[in-house]
Amino acid sequence: ETGVTQTPRHLVMGMTNKKSLKCEQHLGHNAMYWYKQSAKKPLELMFVYSLEERVENNSVPSRFSPECPNSSHLFLHLHTLQPEDSALYLCASSQDPGGQGYEQYFGPGTRLTVT
Amino acid sequence: GENVEQHPSTLSVQEGDSAVIKCTYSDSASNYFPWYKQELGKRPQLIIDIRSNVGEKKDQRIAVTLNKTAKHFSLHITETQPEDSAVYFCASTSGYSSASKIIFGSGTRLSIRP
Repeated sequence: ETGVTQTPRHLVMGMTNKKSLKCEQHLGHNAMYWYKQSAKKPLELMFVYSLEERVENNSVPSRFSPECPNSSHLFLHLHTLQPEDSALYLCASSQDPGGQGYEQYFGPGTRLTVT
Repeated sequence: GENVEQHPSTLSVQEGDSAVIKCTYSDSASNYFPWYKQELGKRPQLIIDIRSNVGEKKDQRIAVTLNKTAKHFSLHITETQPEDSAVYFCASTSGYSSASKIIFGSGTRLSIRP
């Protein structure tokens, strides 16, 4: 798979576990995003990183902790999650155009189930 | 806060007919309006976009119109085919960099009847 990859594709974890989601983009982009997709809110932006700095944090609970060590990699660290956190977590990347508009390239997602 | 409203939430059309999905936005600074298509079990993919200095854009069977005064934009699919069945998301963004704020609509599930 090229473009944007995510691992693992499926994850089941207990509420006391700690796990991490990984995203990698092979497109040379300099911005990366985490989204949560569930039946209640189809595409909910969680975090945005531009040039490895977090520029958007949409009131996400602290049990979700993002990390962007470089422009190609993005992590989402999870701890003490709740069952309502079960969802599809999508990563995306884009190129900062320095102008209007940009396309986001999405990864395949990680299907997370919290038991 | 800023939001994007999308209607309808579900849409069923006969194959060959047209489908129209509408979105309204609240942020007057919005300047870029993409549409994403998500097929079942797949990732969202951009199908068409429009910028605030353009009123209409076409790409084969797909077109998007933008009315900045009314703050709404629409997706038009003509001569629908079975492969058009998917969930469609509109979005609006403001700003001029990857740090731009993007807000998605709630999605429209389009079904094409044979």
